[in-house]
Amino acid sequence: GQQVMQIPQYQHVQEGEDFTTYCNSSTTLSNIQWYKQRPGGHPVFLIQLVKSGEVKKQKRLTFQFGEAKKNSSLHITATQTTDVGTYFCVISNFGNEKLTFGTGTRLTIIP
Amino acid sequence: DTGVSQNPRHKITKRGQNVTFRCDPISEHNRLYWYRQTLGQGPEFLTYFQNEAQLEKSRLLSDRFSAERPKGSFSTLEIQRTEQGDSAMYLCASSPRAGVTDTQYFGPGTRLTVL
Repeated sequence: GQQVMQIPQYQHVQEGEDFTTYCNSSTTLSNIQWYKQRPGGHPVFLIQLVKSGEVKKQKRLTFQFGEAKKNSSLHITATQTTDVGTYFCVISNFGNEKLTFGTGTRLTIIP
Repeated sequence: DTGVSQNPRHKITKRGQNVTFRCDPISEHNRLYWYRQTLGQGPEFLTYFQNEAQLEKSRLLSDRFSAERPKGSFSTLEIQRTEQGDSAMYLCASSPRAGVTDTQYFGPGTRLTVL
């Protein structure tokens, strides 16, 4: 089945610094989603990207889908302590909607 | 609160015992999913239902696992003869429609510890 790899696995940043996580697939994706999971919490949907080269912004978060639809990135500007958690890129197949989670990037913030 | 609910939140059991978890999806959501998450990993798909029909099961779902959604509303996941390797967080999610890629809303999970 399809798989996605994320880098880095862990990221420690000073509060106020930027953060980026990257997601890569060996196959062309129909869409990609991003979820956030706080420590001790459950995954929460952030966004879905469908179009080649698509860029979406949510306040300090910028999501991008590659032109070839094989990679994606999430960039957080000026991190805050509330950004702590694990960010997963997630793929699904139209039709059955089961989610395949990437390996995740765990973000910790140094105050 | 009208989100996905799961019970119990925590379950500690001895190896060889049977356990059953319950998931109540968001009202009128047609699709219901079960995932398993072990420490440091992302959730892994187990099975999903569209209304009362179980449409797909992962290879992770051994014969000891069974899931039901008898009336197309709540679902149960039963694990028979539990093993220590079954220790994990079991997550339930629901989504509103079939045929399109919809957001999946996750419940808080049931953390299973097998001693």
